[in-house]
Amino acid sequence: DAKTTQPTSMDCAEGRAANLPCNHSTISGNEYVYWYRQIHSQGPQYIIHGLKNNETNEMASLIITEDRKSSTLILPHATLRDTAVYYCIVRVGSGNQGGKLIFGQGTELSVKP
Amino acid sequence: DTGVSQDPRHKITKRGQNVTFRCDPISEHNRLYWYRQTLGQGPEFLTYFQNEAQLEKSRLLSDRFSAERPKGSFSTLEIQRTEQGDSAMYLCASSHGAAAYGYTFGSGTRLTVV
Repeated sequence: DAKTTQPTSMDCAEGRAANLPCNHSTISGNEYVYWYRQIHSQGPQYIIHGLKNNETNEMASLIITEDRKSSTLILPHATLRDTAVYYCIVRVGSGNQGGKLIFGQGTELSVKP
Repeated sequence: DTGVSQDPRHKITKRGQNVTFRCDPISEHNRLYWYRQTLGQGPEFLTYFQNEAQLEKSRLLSDRFSAERPKGSFSTLEIQRTEQGDSAMYLCASSHGAAAYGYTFGSGTRLTVV
């Protein structure tokens, strides 16, 4: 079973920041948090991942709480092309003992003009 | 090498037939994963390989399903005696072994069993 819970859906106005929350209260100390998104009929697209520290790349920022029990994905200036299902995933296991990603239901983000 | 390639993109087959899908991972990635996704659901893990070794298989992978990764390069997923319930998108992903790297997914093979 997925180790994360996310809202089923969210709306965001074009040009505004989209903040997508995720709870992962049972995360272990060495498990990473990954974010992917999936646009209809395409494979999931990697966005960002992190362990403890906040992370930023050209697509998004990832804010992880100090206790690591929740995180927030931030799309700073949402566009219509960001409309997709966003998955927050905890990578199960570490090193050579694991590695699979267990997907939940994700959050369907609708960016509206 | 621009990403993970899957072939075919679409497959329509009659119930009871066998089908085989191919996945070509990113060349320097030693791990390869297979997932299945049905409409409205997140991808479900099926199995993964590290190099040529199949390290884990999900309960979802019934006896009719078999996956191989000869020589640790491309992988094939075969479904024997297909059933209508096998209709889904089959996704392949590859990665480095370490958690510090992301996973790259292919575009998937959409299977329709009629």
